[in-house]
Amino acid sequence: AIQLTQSPSSLSASVGDRVTITCRASQGISSALAWYQQKPGKAPKLLIYDASSLESGVPSRFSGSGSGTDFTLTISSLQPEDFATYYCQQFNSYPPFTFGPGTKVDIK
Amino acid sequence: QVQLVESGGGVVQPGGSLRLSCAASGFTFSSYGMHWVRQAPGKGLEWVAFIRYDGSNKYYADSVKGRFTISRDNSKNTLYLQMNSLRAEDTAVYYCAKDLVRGVGAFDIWGQGTMVTVSS
Repeated sequence: AIQLTQSPSSLSASVGDRVTITCRASQGISSALAWYQQKPGKAPKLLIYDASSLESGVPSRFSGSGSGTDFTLTISSLQPEDFATYYCQQFNSYPPFTFGPGTKVDIK
Repeated sequence: QVQLVESGGGVVQPGGSLRLSCAASGFTFSSYGMHWVRQAPGKGLEWVAFIRYDGSNKYYADSVKGRFTISRDNSKNTLYLQMNSLRAEDTAVYYCAKDLVRGVGAFDIWGQGTMVTVSS
């Protein structure tokens, strides 16, 4: 089964900061990767699909890149509503449809 | 609007059973694969099961294989998860989620979740 790792596991940042989260797959998954945002007590929300495609309605400050084994989620200018936990997920080789362990972004 | 609403969660004793439902609206349910994903308290997301749009293929996480059964009724726009032989480690919020595309892809719509607690 494909394993996903995320780094960092948590980070503290300020409003306006540029934030980068990395997701690494244990083997190549082409571009079959998604990024989700989850706030406490809420369901996850799709941000990016197919590694770099922005989901409809998601602000353009979110972007994704990468293919193969290394992927990145970037928030160009962190906003107060962006403080949350972010998960990557692969859908290239299944089952299972693996999620990464998550990256918690909180206020510095 | 496009919506998924889970129901059926609750408190059950170890070894017991529970059936979750997920009612879909606002999209052509019969055209999309569907998933169950769970999240134990304070933990990350764990994919549980998938069913193809027509019910012809089903996949399970190793942790639930042989105990959980995913099914769907396209005439009722409803997804199900039958959970048997429940264990304490099955305690979690259970979400249903829709595939973005007709095939397999990202999960674009999620329900609000239903809590399952396995405890004596």
